[in-house]
Amino acid sequence: KAGVTQTPRYLIKTRGQQVTLSCSPISGHRSVSWYQQTPGQGLQFLFEYFSETQRNKGNFPGRFSGRQFSNSRSEMNVSTLELGDSALYLCASSTDTARVGKLFFGSGTQLSVL
Amino acid sequence: GENVEQHPSTLSVQEGDSAVIKCTYSDSASNYFPWYKQELGKGPQLIIDIRSNVGEKKDQRIAVTLNKTAKHFSLHITETQPEDSAVYFCAVFGTQKLVFGQGTRLTINP
Repeated sequence: KAGVTQTPRYLIKTRGQQVTLSCSPISGHRSVSWYQQTPGQGLQFLFEYFSETQRNKGNFPGRFSGRQFSNSRSEMNVSTLELGDSALYLCASSTDTARVGKLFFGSGTQLSVL
Repeated sequence: GENVEQHPSTLSVQEGDSAVIKCTYSDSASNYFPWYKQELGKGPQLIIDIRSNVGEKKDQRIAVTLNKTAKHFSLHITETQPEDSAVYFCAVFGTQKLVFGQGTRLTINP
């Protein structure tokens, strides 16, 4: 079974631009969660989607948004990029919500904002 | 919200020795406690987990113990090998999301 696939693997953007990251979950998994990982803040929860509905949201500004499609694939969008948005963005999928399901992570998208 | 403290932040052990990483949490209602291993250039990989109705769980060289009264749980790795070198994260399911500890960088010295 293929794992969680995230594209692209690396991105370089400039301040003020916007970016869209993509995540394909493990086949059969209906929950997709997004995390931001930085050396200073560690792993911070962004949001979770289950069956195309946002189930939970972390403490990030409205510039961070996401969505999930009927095939469970998910995208995350960051608008008006800031230098502090440079991070590894990780997607994780689960058969059920994160409450009961085990999370399986992709390798992440490394975003650099210049 | 849930607060997770992980110690130590770095740990260096001789190959063949044991390693122990500890985490404490704040929300007594938390009921799911996974451990993840992250290697360079990869995402975190689930290595073992425990639910609140169990006190200990073992999988080959890896074990996790949970003390719900004291609100802490630990990862134990025995007979460490070079491939165990990585960053390890504990996590707690609280307030409807998984909250991670800050990570422990484990180095196995040959």
